[in-house]
Amino acid sequence: QVQLQESGPGLVKPSGTLSLTCGVSGGSISSSNWWSWVRQPPGKGLEWIGEIYHSGNTNYHASLRSRVTISVDKSNNQFSLKLSSVTAADTALYYCARLIAVSVRYYFDSWGQGTLVTVSS
Amino acid sequence: QSVLTQPPSVSGAPGQRVTISCTGSSSNIGAGYDVHWYQHLPGTAPKLLIYGNNNRPSGVPDRFSGSKSGTSASLAITGLQAEDEADYYCQSYDSSLRGGVFGGGTKLTVL
Repeated sequence: QVQLQESGPGLVKPSGTLSLTCGVSGGSISSSNWWSWVRQPPGKGLEWIGEIYHSGNTNYHASLRSRVTISVDKSNNQFSLKLSSVTAADTALYYCARLIAVSVRYYFDSWGQGTLVTVSS
Repeated sequence: QSVLTQPPSVSGAPGQRVTISCTGSSSNIGAGYDVHWYQHLPGTAPKLLIYGNNNRPSGVPDRFSGSKSGTSASLAITGLQAEDEADYYCQSYDSSLRGGVFGGGTKLTVL
């Protein structure tokens, strides 16, 4: 069973860059899956941020596209999220997840525990 | 405003049956994309409950079931138990947005 674990700073200054890493264990990041980031602002619902395949192909949420970069590090079996020019609106619980995307089926079958990132000076 | 619409809350007594609706549009559920459901307890990882409209991952009790029709889907929970108290989210893919979309979440209270 694949396991995912987020890591990174819990506090980021406004206008700074949020950087998180998701370590994958129990499976290879080079398997036939996509890898994704999802966030949950306080008191709100889940929001898909974007996804990456081990080849480096990416898809991003339209509203975040200008600020987000997701990359993959196959040698360390991990993938990362960078979100630039952050504001208080980016304060959220950030989850990494394995994405199953086949035909009309697109869902997240394994999730990390989540990490809270607060944007504040 | 979430792309998929869910009721904010539902409740039921132990042993009862509850349903949670999820309404989408012609670019997601209505376009034929599958609907999936997650159970989320605060402070924990969301758990996949139903995938592909009506399939349960290994370990999920058969008290949980899903259905889909047109631009909507539903999650049904029978034989309610106290441990079912959690937030439930529906999720699908949207062809216009070209990415995953979630409902706003429904808080289930077991009375």
